[in-house]
Amino acid sequence: EAQVTQNPRYLITVTGKKLTVTCSQNMNHEYMSWYRQDPGLGLRQIYYSMNVEATDKGDVPEGYKVSRKEKRNFPLILESPSPNQTSLYFCASSPIVANSYNEQFFGPGTRLTVL
Amino acid sequence: KQEVTQIPAALSVPEGENLVLNCSFTDSAIYNLQWFRQDPGKGLTSLLLIQSSQREQTSGRLNASLDKSSGRSTLYIAASQPGDSATYLCAVGGGADGLTFGKGTHLIIQP
Repeated sequence: EAQVTQNPRYLITVTGKKLTVTCSQNMNHEYMSWYRQDPGLGLRQIYYSMNVEATDKGDVPEGYKVSRKEKRNFPLILESPSPNQTSLYFCASSPIVANSYNEQFFGPGTRLTVL
Repeated sequence: KQEVTQIPAALSVPEGENLVLNCSFTDSAIYNLQWFRQDPGKGLTSLLLIQSSQREQTSGRLNASLDKSSGRSTLYIAASQPGDSATYLCAVGGGADGLTFGKGTHLIIQP
């Protein structure tokens, strides 16, 4: 089944404790992206990647890191989480068509709480 | 900077009605527009993708239109059912930048 998977789905942690949220897709998509969703603010892009070893900042990259060493995986790293990073996180992937992403497919989300 | 607005923010209608959800965007230089549905506590399910060169797309009871020049898209849902209850999100995309989302329309279909 074609899908985007994220782990963990739920995470409660404390301020300053490094964590990684994994994202994997099995559709051979070039484009992958991370979003966060907050009440009243909607979904906002954190980072994106057009292909392996090609990542770039989105609208709200502060406090996050990503890497793209393999085409299928795009982990989101919080080196020193803070309470304002409490949010619902989504990973998405898409094929690249004519230098742009096409239909984006989203993972099930990771609900992160930072105490 | 692209801004996406969805109207109405919430809508409650009886089962069986046809309804229209509206989406407007400020910058017409888009590659595509995508409609999603989101169920409470769940992920986003892609409903329809309209490329910038297209005027509309249809899938079952759903029809989405795109008017780039006026910065508008509509999602038409025919013969609504209680299972259509969800939040509907409009998102516009361009180049490598991520999708810019509207805040959604929370739809309730009353049995």
